[in-house]
Amino acid sequence: GQNIDQPTEMTATEGAIVQINCTYQTSGFNGLFWYQQHAGEAPTFLSYNVLDGLEEKGRFSSFLSRSKGYSYLLLKELQMKDSASYLCAVLKDYKLSFGAGTTVTVRA
Amino acid sequence: GAGVSQTPSNKVTEKGKYVELRCDPISGHTALYWYRQSLGQGPEFLIYFQGTGAADDSGLPNDRFFAVRPEGSVSTLKIQRTERGDSAVYLCASSLGFRETQYFGPGTRLLVL
Repeated sequence: GQNIDQPTEMTATEGAIVQINCTYQTSGFNGLFWYQQHAGEAPTFLSYNVLDGLEEKGRFSSFLSRSKGYSYLLLKELQMKDSASYLCAVLKDYKLSFGAGTTVTVRA
Repeated sequence: GAGVSQTPSNKVTEKGKYVELRCDPISGHTALYWYRQSLGQGPEFLIYFQGTGAADDSGLPNDRFFAVRPEGSVSTLKIQRTERGDSAVYLCASSLGFRETQYFGPGTRLLVL
């Protein structure tokens, strides 16, 4: 089975940096995805890691350590529009298994 | 180009009724997926199509749920004898192929009264 854990909520100030951690224990692994989901909307693809290390994409970066079963999503220069739920998901073959999501609230 | 589209965006039905939810994937995407998301949870896998065939339907909760993709493009998720516990957001996603990034549609919010 799949067990994916991430914090329920995080709050940060506009312009700051927030790091969302995700740990996983899965029976197979073909990559780790991060999605952003605004309330009432579809999950939107943010990043994908299949090898260990850091992937940087503008204000968002994602890190993976396969040996530790650990990933994080780093959001820099936070903007109000970044207030959303962030979903960590592990891919095994074609199936994504999601964590429950981390709700990030950005305060002015 | 156009993303994944789903219709209807909202569906209210009564317990015991039959519903159909439609998904139109991104053009050229051979893989199509259905997920279900309950409030405060991440999406849960229901079924995966590669082309016209259901390659994995292990996530379907029971035999009241069925999905088809007859021409390898549009898919329909069918729920018979709906129950209140079926209330959720049903998300469709598509990808270019096996192990490629999945892109999600806006979902259908199903409410069973």
